[in-house]
Amino acid sequence: EVQLVESGGVVVQPGGSLRLSCAASGFTFDHYPMHWVRQVPGKGLEWVSLITWDGTTTYYTDSVKGRFTISRDDNENSLYLQMNSLRTEDTALYYCAKDPRSGSYIMDVWGQGTTVTVSS
Amino acid sequence: IQMTQSPSSVSASVGDRVTITCRASQDISIWLAWYQQKPGKGPKLLIFDASSLQSGVPSRFSGSGSGTDFTLTISSLQPEDFATYFCQQASGFPLTFGGGTKVEF
Repeated sequence: EVQLVESGGVVVQPGGSLRLSCAASGFTFDHYPMHWVRQVPGKGLEWVSLITWDGTTTYYTDSVKGRFTISRDDNENSLYLQMNSLRTEDTALYYCAKDPRSGSYIMDVWGQGTTVTVSS
Repeated sequence: IQMTQSPSSVSASVGDRVTITCRASQDISIWLAWYQQKPGKGPKLLIFDASSLQSGVPSRFSGSGSGTDFTLTISSLQPEDFATYFCQQASGFPLTFGGGTKVEF
């Protein structure tokens, strides 16, 4: 079964840092690009970041550029999101998602999400 | 690229035909996907490339459109289809989603 399981979401103060993890199973992880997408409860979806299958190229939404870093460890079948200089507006449920193929920029498998709360 | 979905909610009954519209602020060709999300769950991919049905998705779901105007149609609404639907453009970065359409009783 193809599965993505996110972890690492906690309550953190503004200006703090956090690393989210996503454990992948049931597919050949190093063949696929991966995304992070976030959602404020009861609101819409916001794409955050993408990393290519080989990890050589990354993309970010403007509001997180310079603060967040996406990375992957193919030996561990894991995706990560390092979040620095956190702001209250980063509070959301964070999903990792698999892209079905290079260049498609869509998400065909999603995790259940992990909650990040930025609050003093 | 801004994605505008309408309506934001729709009341429907089992067996109804439901149509949801998504408009892009610029030409995105066919690079559009539709997702279904149920409470407490991650989204599920329904349609990609504007009209291609994802494997395992019932044929009552269909997508159409190109350029700036797109439509998701549920031909005969089933009880399990009551959910929120989002469109997403895959034409350029940052990738963007529509605001969502809640299909409810």
